Amino acid sequence: QVTLRESGPALVKPTQTLTLTCTFSGLSLSARGVRASWIRQPPGKALEWLARIDWDDAKIYKTSLKTRLRISKDSSRHQVVLTMTNMSPADTGTYYCARINENDAFDLWGQGAMVTVSS
Amino acid sequence: EIVLTQSPGTLSLSPGERATLSCRASQRLSSAYVAWYQQKPGQSPRLLISGASTRATGIPDRFSGGGSRTHFTLTISGLEPEDSAIYYCQQFGSTLSYTFGQGTKLEIK
Repeated sequence: QVTLRESGPALVKPTQTLTLTCTFSGLSLSARGVRASWIRQPPGKALEWLARIDWDDAKIYKTSLKTRLRISKDSSRHQVVLTMTNMSPADTGTYYCARINENDAFDLWGQGAMVTVSS
Repeated sequence: EIVLTQSPGTLSLSPGERATLSCRASQRLSSAYVAWYQQKPGQSPRLLISGASTRATGIPDRFSGGGSRTHFTLTISGLEPEDSAIYYCQQFGSTLSYTFGQGTKLEIK
């Protein structure tokens, strides 16, 4: 059974850098075809895709946030890490990691990590 | 960036009825990369449909997806109270970007 779990700070200050970790169980991040993404959701609002990393370390980012995002993985630790710089209150929300299937749909999700940006 | 517009914003129906949710794209989509999700309050989204019409594992056949080009639909037949949720469509396109619609809230009264 594959599971994902997000972890990271619940509160960050404006201008700080956010670092979130997604730990996979039951899945090798270096196995061919494995892809993972980060998606966020402001309170009461829609889902917003942020970044994707593939088994071969290829990466893509949401264009409008590209300069602030970095996604990486540590296959030996079964972790995918997202960093987002220069956080502002508009970045407040729940951050999810998800696995991507062969149809580029997010077929498995973590429980989410709520992040509040406030001084 | 491709924009997905979902309608209606809110849908109120009775148990046993059929719901049809619409997702319109600002550009032509590949059906292979259109998906639908269900999200209940306080929960993570759950994949219902991928490839426009293929149900995910464990999804009952009351849920069906269809459409092509710029218009896709999610149909839920025989509505049950547990179907109350927000439903999102999603696409992945040639611009190497994923986008979601703004969601349709389904209420079962």
